[in-house]
Amino acid sequence: AQKITQTQPGMFVQEKEAVTLDCTYDTSDQSYGLFWYKQPSSGEMIFLIYQGSYDEQNATEGRYSLNFQKARKSANLVISASQLGDSAMYFCAMRPSNTGNQFYFGTGTSLTVIP
Amino acid sequence: NAGVTQTPKFQVLKTGQSMTLQCAQDMNHEYMSWYRQDPGMGLRLIHYSVGAGITDQGEVPNGYNVSRSTTEDFPLRLLSAAPSQTSVYFCASRYYGDYNSPLHFGNGTRLTVT
Repeated sequence: AQKITQTQPGMFVQEKEAVTLDCTYDTSDQSYGLFWYKQPSSGEMIFLIYQGSYDEQNATEGRYSLNFQKARKSANLVISASQLGDSAMYFCAMRPSNTGNQFYFGTGTSLTVIP
Repeated sequence: NAGVTQTPKFQVLKTGQSMTLQCAQDMNHEYMSWYRQDPGMGLRLIHYSVGAGITDQGEVPNGYNVSRSTTEDFPLRLLSAAPSQTSVYFCASRYYGDYNSPLHFGNGTRLTVT
């Protein structure tokens, strides 16, 4: 079975601090992709970062980085130097190779940045 | 650059009514899909298409129909709306030829069925 788990329904972080949003996944596939999306209160889904299962280095995109621990099946999103605009829902998603087209999404983490 | 365009943004239906949610993309993506988002459940795949004339079911297809006559458009039809279909619906597309390609989402349609 393919599954994504985000165990933190809500998180708070002080402005300018770093925060880690947890994501664990379950798949029997050796090849898969991991994605993080941001959903602000306006509702749109914004792609943030991608990590391939065979990538040897952790992905980074600006203030976003992905702490990928393959043996633990975790793909945590790290946001550095939090800004008020980072307040949003964050979704982790997985695309196993054998599903071809289906992305599996977690239930999301609501992040609030405190001034 | 419009990306993925969904209409309408909001819709209220009565039980038993039908309607079509529209989705269009201008990125020449072969793959298009529909998701529904419900509180505490993340996003779940309804139907998807890998090209014109090709559609397939996702995780929660019951009560929904789709067709794909062009690369650009992928409408979602509710034939007889039910309160359980109250949700936020997202259309998403991606470049099918690149394994790493992320989904690009429309802005969503908030549907209420009374």
